[in-house]
Amino acid sequence: GAVVSQHPSWVICKSGTSVKIECRSLDFQATTMFWYRQFPKQSLMLMATSNEGSKATYEQGVEKDKFLINHASLTLSTLTVTSAHPEDSSFYICSATSTGVNEQFFGPGTRLTVL
Amino acid sequence: GQQLNQSPQSMFIQEGEDVSMNCTSSSIFNTWLWYKQDPGEGPVLLIALYKAGELTSNGRLTAQFGITRKDSFLNISASIPSDVGIYFCAGPFHSGGYQKVTFGTGTKLQVIP
Repeated sequence: GAVVSQHPSWVICKSGTSVKIECRSLDFQATTMFWYRQFPKQSLMLMATSNEGSKATYEQGVEKDKFLINHASLTLSTLTVTSAHPEDSSFYICSATSTGVNEQFFGPGTRLTVL
Repeated sequence: GQQLNQSPQSMFIQEGEDVSMNCTSSSIFNTWLWYKQDPGEGPVLLIALYKAGELTSNGRLTAQFGITRKDSFLNISASIPSDVGIYFCAGPFHSGGYQKVTFGTGTKLQVIP
C-alpha cells in the first residue's frame, strides 16, 4: 500500500515553454502533498506544501508564480513549471501523506531537462 | 533553519564489509528517519526512530537515535551490491500547520563486488 506515482518520468522541453508534472496517490487519499526539487549530487529541498482544495504554501525563495501547484483532489497534485529555463532543469519529487499518518510516501521523481 | 550534516559524504567499500554513516543536527529532533535513494528514483524509508537512545534494526540495517537527540547513525552489515545508493537522514518538524521533513546532505555508498 501507500504507492505514489509521478508522470512523466522524464521530460525535455524548450526554454520558455511550460511543463506540467502530475503526482498521484494510487491507493490512499492524500490530504497533504509536498513537492521537492533535487539538483545533481544534492539533497532534496522542499519547494511547497499543499492541502487538497486550498492554496499551496511555498518555502522561502521559491517563486509561486513560476511553480504553480494545484491539489484539486485527494489523489492528484500537479506542479506546472511556467516559462521554464535551463536553470530549472532538475529532479522533481513529490510525496503524499494523510491526516494522522506519521510518514510521507515519495513518488519516483520526474527528471526535467530544459534546453 | 534546521541543518542535517551527514558523514562521510561518499564511500567505497568491498562487498561483505560493514558500513557506518552518521548524521548530526544543529537542532533537536523528536524523530529521526533514514531513507535510501536509488539513482533516478524517489527516496524509500528504511528506518524510523522515535525515542532518544532507541536502537532499531531492519534486516542488515541498524540505526540509533542519539541521546542528545541531535545525532543518529546507520550501520549496514555484510554489504551487498544492491546497497549502492544515496542514504539520507531526515528529521520531521512542524511548520505552518504541516509536518514537514528536512533532509540531510546524503552519504553516497558504492559497493565493489
